[in-house]
Amino acid sequence: DTGVSQDPRHKITKRGQNVTFRCDPISEHNRLYWYRQTLGQGPEFLTYFQNEAQLEKSRLLSDRFSAERPKGSFSTLEIQRTEQGDSAMYLCASSLSGEGTEAFFGQGTRLTVV
Amino acid sequence: GEDVEQSLFLSVREGDSSVINCTYTDSSSTYLYWYKQEPGAGLQLLTYIFSNMDMKQDQRLTVLLNKKDKHLSLRIADTQTGDSAIYFCAENSLAFNAGNNRKLIWGLGTSLAVNP
Repeated sequence: DTGVSQDPRHKITKRGQNVTFRCDPISEHNRLYWYRQTLGQGPEFLTYFQNEAQLEKSRLLSDRFSAERPKGSFSTLEIQRTEQGDSAMYLCASSLSGEGTEAFFGQGTRLTVV
Repeated sequence: GEDVEQSLFLSVREGDSSVINCTYTDSSSTYLYWYKQEPGAGLQLLTYIFSNMDMKQDQRLTVLLNKKDKHLSLRIADTQTGDSAIYFCAENSLAFNAGNNRKLIWGLGTSLAVNP
């Protein structure tokens, strides 16, 4: 297992286009998280899954954002009708359930909306 | 509310100790974490401490927790140029959550510059 992988690493898109990112967690991890990080900020929680169930969504997550984890393994994050304010690093993390378990982060997908 | 605060910058000389401080607000947090982020890289967990502990030492890293003041610090002994990075403090907060779902609340990060 090579850890959490995210694809693509970089994405440049025109405003108004839709984009989809993929995250492959560590295989035995049942929890998967999406965070967004802008320059000079810490990561902001977006949503998380336990297995295939989406248990929480942040108020930051507008209707243009949707995340899925259909089989409880990989996850996708789709942003529809992208806006310049969506430009950020989108981070995925996975962990086992239970308090204090370490969340392992992927390298992130850097989105630039032009 | 949920808030984690850190100083934004720290500059030290190689070989000196670095101390990065953090304050948090959610007294129900059971774990507090330090993550490291190097330029262009993902977040790497450095260490964490359970809230009923005062101190944890791991090689060059020492974490001190003052639960009464909700203050966390990370000390890096014999700081090296390879330690230059942004260090994030995070708490696993129950604030604003229904049920027992926790999420990590992050500080803005402290940018550590190590000068040779």
